[in-house]
Amino acid sequence: AQSVTQPDIHITVSEGASLELRCNYSYGATPYLFWYVQSPGQGLQLLLKYFSGDTLVQGIKGFEAEFKRSQSSFNLRKPSVHWSDAAEYFCASSDRGSTLGRLYFGRGTQLTVWP
Amino acid sequence: DSGVTQTPKHLITATGQRVTLRCSPRSGDLSVYWYQQSLDQGLQFLIQYYNGEERAKGNILERFSAQQFPDLHSELNLSSLELGDSALYFCASSLPGQGNIQYFGAGTRLSVL
Repeated sequence: AQSVTQPDIHITVSEGASLELRCNYSYGATPYLFWYVQSPGQGLQLLLKYFSGDTLVQGIKGFEAEFKRSQSSFNLRKPSVHWSDAAEYFCASSDRGSTLGRLYFGRGTQLTVWP
Repeated sequence: DSGVTQTPKHLITATGQRVTLRCSPRSGDLSVYWYQQSLDQGLQFLIQYYNGEERAKGNILERFSAQQFPDLHSELNLSSLELGDSALYFCASSLPGQGNIQYFGAGTRLSVL
């Protein structure tokens, strides 16, 4: 079965600083990969996805992620964090080419932004 | 707004009771997924329905059941509730052929007292 690991439970950055959230996946083949964000009291919003092709994918709200097959990683980045980015971020994977599209989620990384 | 609607937003009930959570998927989406989010287990997949048929089961307890109706809305039924069932329950929906992109509702927060 697939698994997703987010090594950092909590990250604190200053507003305007750069951000990188780590994600590693475990699967025999390259899965579909996703980053979701959850603000307090909200559902999960899709930030970006990787299916194939260009390993650097752009998402909403200025986020990007880079897929590295050699490291089984899909790290999320943002060059300059805004206070409104404070939220919990989830990395997820899904079977490629399957209609049984359940998502496997990491445990999440809570982002705190200092003013 | 994801287009996925979940009701109610909050539910408070007692142990041993039964509740029903409702989900309306995005217009045109055929697949509905249910997930449970708790502090100790994180986000866990419960069950998937596709066009009215059960497609996949995850860590769903026997006390829990779900169905998807002809109009594609779905209900998750939780019975003989225990304190440990307190959690946030999410519904998500997707279209086939879109790489399993799932759109999530705002969730139903269940508190079992």
